[in-house]
Amino acid sequence: KQEVTQIPAALSVPEGENLVLNCSFTDSAIYNLQWFRQDPGKGLTSLLLIQSSQREQTSGRLNASLDKSSGRSTLYIAASQPGDSATYLCAGGMNRDDKIIFGKGTRLHILP
Amino acid sequence: NAGVMQNPRHLVRRRGQEARLRCSPMKGHSHVYWYRQLPEEGLKFMVYLQKENIIDESGMPKERFSAEFPKEGPSILRIQQVVRGDSAAYFCASSPWRAYEQYFGPGTRLTVT
Repeated sequence: KQEVTQIPAALSVPEGENLVLNCSFTDSAIYNLQWFRQDPGKGLTSLLLIQSSQREQTSGRLNASLDKSSGRSTLYIAASQPGDSATYLCAGGMNRDDKIIFGKGTRLHILP
Repeated sequence: NAGVMQNPRHLVRRRGQEARLRCSPMKGHSHVYWYRQLPEEGLKFMVYLQKENIIDESGMPKERFSAEFPKEGPSILRIQQVVRGDSAAYFCASSPWRAYEQYFGPGTRLTVT
């Protein structure tokens, strides 16, 4: 059974710092790994999608990596801004049944 | 191309009433997925449907919950005789084919009073 774990559960950093959010998964049979952003009371915004054959994806100040062999993904945010404050969700798409398995998220707070 | 649409965005029901949540997938998408996010919990898979077929309902509660995706019209998630524990955000996602990126709607927030 796939489990997706995100560490830390919450993180506060001063504005301008670079930071890394971690995601681990127990079953390497994923077809993609996706990072989402969720603002309080809002829907999901897809940030980056990494196909299982890829190792990383970049968009602006965001970079996500995927290492299937170790069951890990990281989301790197450069030069953090107060507007980056949100909950970040990691999710793996499973080969066998098309489900997306979500982690519980990391609540990020960027201090002005 | 409009994204995944869900309505209503907010729904309030009294205990014992029925809740109907609608999801219109992106144009050209024939695969629909429903997820539920309970307060302080992660999103959990509920059901996967293709047109007129339920493919996987392993995440659906055994009673009171049902889903359909008819040949014409939106997918419907129906919750009968709602209870307070059903209060949650319900998200729908669609994709053009299996094992592909899923695109999420804005969600329906159900509050049971």
